Amino acid sequence: AQSVTQLGSHVSVSEGALVLLRCNYSSSVPPYLFWYVQYPNQGLQLLLKYTSAATLVKGINGFEAEFKKSETSFHLTKPSAHMSDAAEYFCAVSEKGNTPLVFGKGTRLSVIA
Amino acid sequence: ETGVTQTPRHLVMGMTNKKSLKCEQHLGHNAMYWYKQSAKKPLELMFVYNFKEQTENNSVPSRFSPECPNSSHLFLHLHTLQPEDSALYLCASSQDRQGDSGNTIYFGEGSWLTVV
Repeated sequence: AQSVTQLGSHVSVSEGALVLLRCNYSSSVPPYLFWYVQYPNQGLQLLLKYTSAATLVKGINGFEAEFKKSETSFHLTKPSAHMSDAAEYFCAVSEKGNTPLVFGKGTRLSVIA
Repeated sequence: ETGVTQTPRHLVMGMTNKKSLKCEQHLGHNAMYWYKQSAKKPLELMFVYNFKEQTENNSVPSRFSPECPNSSHLFLHLHTLQPEDSALYLCASSQDRQGDSGNTIYFGEGSWLTVV
């Protein structure tokens, strides 16, 4: 069965600094991988997803993630943090022909002025 | 606006009450989901419906009763809940059942439920 681990429940960065949110997955077959963002009092919104095309995936709001099979990782990055990036970020994995989408526990990103 | 609308946004109910959460999607999707989000816990999938048929029930207690009258509407009927059921309940939809082709799941804004 697939699973996902997000390292760090809380990450704090300065405005303008690099954002790096870590996600490692476990899957017995090539996975589909997702990053979602949740702003306060809102539902989850898709940031980006990997579905076996290009390994470097670009998403909304300047975020990108790279699928590394050898490291079973799908870390989320953004070159320069903005105050509006403060939110909860969830990594998720699914396998072709299998449900459900399995979510990590989430990483709360704080951006300091 | 994600195309998935949930009502009510906030609900407070007693343990003996019966209430319902409603979800409507305007995306023409075939699959709909209920998720539970509690503090310090991963998102928990509760139910999956595909073409109005329930395809997954993740050992959810019978005090939660889903209903899917058509592909656009999903309800979660609540009765004799416990305080530990207080959480954010998220409805979601996808074009087809998630996992079949990496379909994106679109979430509503959630219904905050407090059981007193």
